[in-house]
Amino acid sequence: QVQLVESGGGVVQPGGSLRLSCAASGFTFSSYGMHWVRQAPGKGLEWVAFIRYDGSNKYYADSVKGRFTISRDNSKNTLYLQMISLRAEDTAVYYCAKDKDQQLPSLVDYWGQGTLVTVSS
Amino acid sequence: SSELTQDPAVSVALGQTVRITCQGDSLRSYYATWYQQKPGQAPVLVMYGKNNRPSGIPDRFSGSSSGNTASLTITGAQAEDEADYYCNSRDSSHLVFGGGTKLTVL
Repeated sequence: QVQLVESGGGVVQPGGSLRLSCAASGFTFSSYGMHWVRQAPGKGLEWVAFIRYDGSNKYYADSVKGRFTISRDNSKNTLYLQMISLRAEDTAVYYCAKDKDQQLPSLVDYWGQGTLVTVSS
Repeated sequence: SSELTQDPAVSVALGQTVRITCQGDSLRSYYATWYQQKPGQAPVLVMYGKNNRPSGIPDRFSGSSSGNTASLTITGAQAEDEADYYCNSRDSSHLVFGGGTKLTVL
């Protein structure tokens, strides 16, 4: 069965950096696009970023463009999110999510359990 | 980017039918996808495409769409259906989510 396990969350000061990882199993990771989606405490879901199955194209929400970088290592079945210049409003649970398609954001069919990022001094 | 609008809260009596709606310009071009999220849990896909249920989702869940509005209908709501429901769709090279609807089963 599909499993997505996030790690790397924690408490970071404003302006700091953090890298999230997502270990994927139970499907052919290199054949699917992948997303990061976040959810601030008590708030709704917000799409963050998408990467094509082969890593050749990446798309970002305006709120994180220039600060966050999505990447993947298909040899390790792992998705990453590098976050810099973190702000208080980036505080959220970050979910790794699998797309049903390869090339463009289409629909998320599986979600990880999430990792909490708290930006606070 | 476009937005998707959902009613913040809806309630339904046990065993009755409820419709949760989602409005947005992107829905004129792309089907809505629906997720159920219970407290402290990750979202779960419950409906996608024209009216497709993933394996394991009860057939009391159905989907429909007209113009810029998509709907998720639960026919015979059960206590376990109480949750937050989010719609989303493609919007060019992005995904966009609705603000979510909190469903209360009375």
